[in-house]
Amino acid sequence: DADVTQTPRNRITKTGKRIMLECSQTKGHDRMYWYRQDPGLGLRLIYYSFDVKDINKGEISDGYSVSRQAQAKFSLSLESAIPNQTALYFCATSGRSSIGPQHFGDGTRLSIL
Amino acid sequence: AQKVTQAQTEISVVEKEDVTLDCVYETRDTTYYLFWYKQPPSGELVFLIRRNSFDEQNEISGRYSWNFQKSTSSFNFTITASQVVDSAVYFCALSEAGGGSTLGRLYFGRGTQLTVWP
Repeated sequence: DADVTQTPRNRITKTGKRIMLECSQTKGHDRMYWYRQDPGLGLRLIYYSFDVKDINKGEISDGYSVSRQAQAKFSLSLESAIPNQTALYFCATSGRSSIGPQHFGDGTRLSIL
Repeated sequence: AQKVTQAQTEISVVEKEDVTLDCVYETRDTTYYLFWYKQPPSGELVFLIRRNSFDEQNEISGRYSWNFQKSTSSFNFTITASQVVDSAVYFCALSEAGGGSTLGRLYFGRGTQLTVWP
């Protein structure tokens, strides 16, 4: 089984819908991250969490919210999806003594029509 | 300003050629970490290497090698005797050890698409 699991893997939805992307990990890591990848732009940080009570905005948090339900779970929500949020989304984790996220999920491909 | 610059958007080589992927970074921190990730066509991100700012020794792992030069703020990645399976997007990334909640954030370059032809 994957150490970092993202659900769903693919999603097509309509403008204005609320969407939740979920991430769970079995690595026991404290730190979790959400990134989005757009062609030619690399990965950009949306939100990150260093423990259950610590949530921080990344570079592009507008239009997104997150919830850290437990150490192992970190979900990303789009309250009212818009087409320019179409992207590949990655969840990642790292341990407290690690520098930088090293363990990525397989990604969620999100298309907003 | 872009903290990590990968000037090569796309590179194409023929199998068995050597290829170097460039990465230039920008930071004011004296302690920082540099990474390379590989993203094959299947889309997942594969961690390749992490290097801290105090270790400028070059590293070799099989056909892969990395050249870290603080004087030029570069962390270049060379694949020797390239193979078709090396075709992927390669990302360079930077983490600054500024302390507190900023520690652990990764800044990615825009990636270099490497295509290796048979």
